[in-house]
Amino acid sequence: DQQVKQNSPSLSVQEGRISILNCDYTNSMFDYFLWYKKYPAEGPTFLISISSIKDKNEDGRFTVFLNKSAKHLSLHIVPSQPGDSAVYFCAASDMIKAAGNKLTFGGGTRVLVKP
Amino acid sequence: EPEVTQTPSHQVTQMGQEVILRCVPISNHLYFYWYRQILGQKVEFLVSFYNNEISEKSEIFDDQFSVERPDGSNFTLKIRSTKLEDSAMYFCARSGDGSPLHFGNGTRLTVT
Repeated sequence: DQQVKQNSPSLSVQEGRISILNCDYTNSMFDYFLWYKKYPAEGPTFLISISSIKDKNEDGRFTVFLNKSAKHLSLHIVPSQPGDSAVYFCAASDMIKAAGNKLTFGGGTRVLVKP
Repeated sequence: EPEVTQTPSHQVTQMGQEVILRCVPISNHLYFYWYRQILGQKVEFLVSFYNNEISEKSEIFDDQFSVERPDGSNFTLKIRSTKLEDSAMYFCARSGDGSPLHFGNGTRLTVT
């Protein structure tokens, strides 16, 4: 199932710089997108989301951009901090489909923030 | 602190045995889910549960799997006859109406 793809398996960035994570999707029915962060031995933690009626959503150091025509979204983390080192998952759902919010996940990008 | 509590954190079982994974306790949530992540693979949807019945399930969720809320709070996933390929992290999640999913810390299932 390649409906949601994160083409970069890993990313290394210097503390204080910007981290940019990318995600592409193929299913045009997706209209709600989320980013999750995951530490080892823990479950995914919700970070930020965006619905298809917007092209940007910001929450503190985290900003998600959505380009519907390109079926592409990205997560910007600025400034990056060592505690941001984790695996980041992009996920998508079809909110029109009413209850359930089944999420389709990408494969994840491992981010390492170097002090 | 996770908003969803799962037990056990790690379960080892022999092939062919039944296992029950639990979310404990959950209250006042509308939707419940089970996802799993096989080592090195994507997080995959298994099943969603609403109003005490399954609302959607994936192809993975075959007759070997079942879910229930036996006492109105605990949410369980049962695998009747485990296979080696069932070894994975199993995540329980919950959400309200239209709110993002919040996951537990998972149960690592190892089938030997």
